Amino acid sequence: NAGVTQTPKFQVLKTGQSMTLQCAQDMNHEYMSWYRQDPGMGLRLIHYSVGAGITDQGEVPNGYNVSRSTTEDFPLRLLSAAPSQTSVYFCASSYQVGMEEQYFGPGTRLTVT
Amino acid sequence: DQQVKQNSPSLSVQEGRISILNCDYTNSMFDYFLWYKKYPAEGPTFLISISSIKDKNEDGRFTVFLNKSAKHLSLHIVPSQPGDSAVYFCAASGGNTGKLIFGQGTTLQVKP
Repeated sequence: NAGVTQTPKFQVLKTGQSMTLQCAQDMNHEYMSWYRQDPGMGLRLIHYSVGAGITDQGEVPNGYNVSRSTTEDFPLRLLSAAPSQTSVYFCASSYQVGMEEQYFGPGTRLTVT
Repeated sequence: DQQVKQNSPSLSVQEGRISILNCDYTNSMFDYFLWYKKYPAEGPTFLISISSIKDKNEDGRFTVFLNKSAKHLSLHIVPSQPGDSAVYFCAASGGNTGKLIFGQGTTLQVKP
């Protein structure tokens, strides 16, 4: 198993550009989530999904969209990038809701200029 | 409002000694607590967890203690090894939602 994979590893965007961060898992996990990590802030939950077709907002959802059309994939879309979205983004998954031991991807480092 | 707090940004310990990392929380609805370890340029990896019905959980060199009345948990690493040098995050969840709330992290340095 590849586990949780994320692409790209690095990305530089200009303010106002849009892009999609990809996340995939091959463990047949129901639960998937996106976090951002900023210095001194820990990891903050952006959006999460408890299964295909179901998504919900986390702590910091503004400026981000998600969809979950398949069990495997959970892309994160930035509609109009802002410098405040400069961060490291992590995708995570777990077998089911309540299995709080989540498996994390390697992260995407995003810089918005 | 930070619901999970790690008030020590860093900790330095000599190899072979005990490392104690602390975490405080404010939400009494949290019923499951976890510790994650993170190396640079990698995603966090799960280390150990504890349910609110317990006050201690042990896994090899790692032990997590939970004091519900004080809303405090701690991670003990004994003996500490240089490979333990990493950022440690505590996290909490409640209500079977799967939503994890993380602390800010503590950077542990274990000196040879």
